[in-house]
Amino acid sequence: DSGVTQTPKHLITATGQRVTLRCSPRSGDLSVYWYQQSLDQGLQFLIQYYNGEERAKGNILERFSAQQFPDLHSELNLSSLELGDSALYFCASSVEDRVTQYFGPGTRLTVL
Amino acid sequence: SQQGEEDPQALSIQEGENATMNCSYKTSINNLQWYRQNSGRGLVHLILIRSNEREKHSGRLRVTLDTSKKSSSLLITASRAADTASYFCATAGAGTALIFGKGTTLSVSS
Repeated sequence: DSGVTQTPKHLITATGQRVTLRCSPRSGDLSVYWYQQSLDQGLQFLIQYYNGEERAKGNILERFSAQQFPDLHSELNLSSLELGDSALYFCASSVEDRVTQYFGPGTRLTVL
Repeated sequence: SQQGEEDPQALSIQEGENATMNCSYKTSINNLQWYRQNSGRGLVHLILIRSNEREKHSGRLRVTLDTSKKSSSLLITASRAADTASYFCATAGAGTALIFGKGTTLSVSS
């Protein structure tokens, strides 16, 4: 158990819908990262927050957004969902900007 | 875009054998990490090697780094069925975000 929690574990929704994925980092970790894992694209970095502020952006679509709240939990919002958004979404956290990241169990999103 | 590329894509061995997987990357790095992922689960950090290190050990794991060839290898000695998983190398991208390769899927049969 990494100490990072993600909810929900599974999410099934329809095209065009909007969903919110939630992540609670390890106690004391200030950095939160979001990654998407799909069969064709592999593991891709989406976005990083550090202590409530956006720190870095990766291959995140404009339909996706994220935020980190004062209690350091983070939410990833996915809107206007398409079939191709079906993937595993992982959250990871780290102590400050240390490179070792601790991953949550992931949320499996299925868009029908 | 992938920074690291693992090789082979898949590896099948018997329990007790050693498993070696390789990673090549494109740009200069400060460090390189290896992670393990059991089927459909979150990634687990295995080991980090810094650019000024050539070899590092952790239990049954041995990692080497050759910055001149931009490559790293992960050796798992005396493999067990529980080592069955996908293994990824990762380097730092934007900020401290990680860029992963496509991974090597290791299958260890008893």
